Amino acid sequence: DGGITQSPKYLFRKEGQNVTLSCEQNLNHDAMYWYRQDPGQGLRLIYYSQIVNDFQKGDIAEGYSVSREKKESFPLTVTSAQKNPTAFYLCASTTPGGGTYGYTFGSGTRLTVV
Amino acid sequence: AQSVTQLDSQVPVFEEAPVELRCNYSSSVSVYLFWYVQYPNQGLQLLLKYLSGSTLVKGINGFEAEFNKSQTSFHLRKPSVHISDTAEYFCAVSEIIQGAQKLVFGQGTRLTINP
Repeated sequence: DGGITQSPKYLFRKEGQNVTLSCEQNLNHDAMYWYRQDPGQGLRLIYYSQIVNDFQKGDIAEGYSVSREKKESFPLTVTSAQKNPTAFYLCASTTPGGGTYGYTFGSGTRLTVV
Repeated sequence: AQSVTQLDSQVPVFEEAPVELRCNYSSSVSVYLFWYVQYPNQGLQLLLKYLSGSTLVKGINGFEAEFNKSQTSFHLRKPSVHISDTAEYFCAVSEIIQGAQKLVFGQGTRLTINP
């Protein structure tokens, strides 16, 4: 079955370290997204990508970086510049359709700074 | 930019009681609206969506939502809830910016079902 795979499910990071969260999809979707979720704040957009080798900043891109070298993959790096990285991170994808399709989500990665 | 307001951060109800989760959006133009459900430590799953046509939209797990253009609302309802409906629910509106679809989410409503 097609879907989005995020790994790892749980991730612990020491302060000052960079970590990379994986997101892979086999839905043949063009667009991919990274969201951050904090309690009571809903989902906030970090980065998104419409096509390979192209991506745009979302609302809270500072301290994060992404790449889109393959259609199927959209990894997110949480850098040491991110002041408060502890959160639940969600990856999503969609197909072009004028906004009617909605998103398919992965199961998330919970990042904790120790 | 569009915005979404979910009027209740938490909604406790008893099992088998009806429930309504409220959602208002800001856009005055044609919109596409969505409701998602999130179970603990999982991703979001699509419950239902409104694109056009009938204002009453039926989704999975017995949920339905009514689109009200004059009140810019898209409230989610279920006539009789079950313990398994305990989850967080997100309302979202779709916007197209520079050819890119973006979903704008509300803050979420935590639904708690008590036996």
